[in-house]
Amino acid sequence: QVRLQQWGAGLLKPSETLSLTCIVHGGSLSPHYWSWIRQPPGKGLEWIGESSHDGITNYNPSLKSRVSISVDTSKNQLSLKLNSLTAADTAVYYCARGLLSDYQYHFDCWGQGTLVTVSS
Amino acid sequence: DIQMTQSPSSLSASVGDRVTITCRASQSIGTFLNWYQQKPGQAPKLLIYVASTLQSGVPSRFSGSGSGTDFTLTISSLQPEDFATYYCQQSYTSRMYTFGQGTKLEMK
Repeated sequence: QVRLQQWGAGLLKPSETLSLTCIVHGGSLSPHYWSWIRQPPGKGLEWIGESSHDGITNYNPSLKSRVSISVDTSKNQLSLKLNSLTAADTAVYYCARGLLSDYQYHFDCWGQGTLVTVSS
Repeated sequence: DIQMTQSPSSLSASVGDRVTITCRASQSIGTFLNWYQQKPGQAPKLLIYVASTLQSGVPSRFSGSGSGTDFTLTISSLQPEDFATYYCQQSYTSRMYTFGQGTKLEMK
């Protein structure tokens, strides 16, 4: 059974860069898309972006100028970088697998979440 | 962007009740609609995909229906473990996914 485990720094200062990593246990990055999704405290879910197993990326236009998602197939890992942080980026960040079924994607497997707080 | 609007935003119900949550898309999305359940401190869990297909392991008291712009998630007989927040999500716009704002289901 596929399990996602994620980690990264939890307290950052404004203007710094968020860096998170997610490792896939019990499965391969191929042939799926892998997303990052965030949730500000007490609020809803926002899709940040995704990478295919072979490095094709797509980003939410609202974050595109600040975000980078990459995969490392040798380590079965995906990574998220978000720069120029502000307090509005404070959220729980999740990695998730996008599974294709009937020509549409759904997120069937999620990491445990990492709370990232941006504060001076 | 396609906007997803859920109603109600919160709902009080009792064990054994039949509960329906609605999700409306700002444009037609066919059946490109998924439902998730989230409990406090946990990651969301996939319940239903392609509007009405039950994810493996999800109890049959959960069901989904709809197409186009209007969708519903129904819990036929509410159980104690079902009190949670529910989100819909559209995957019609390839490579740009959006969620509803959530419906918090609380015990009456």
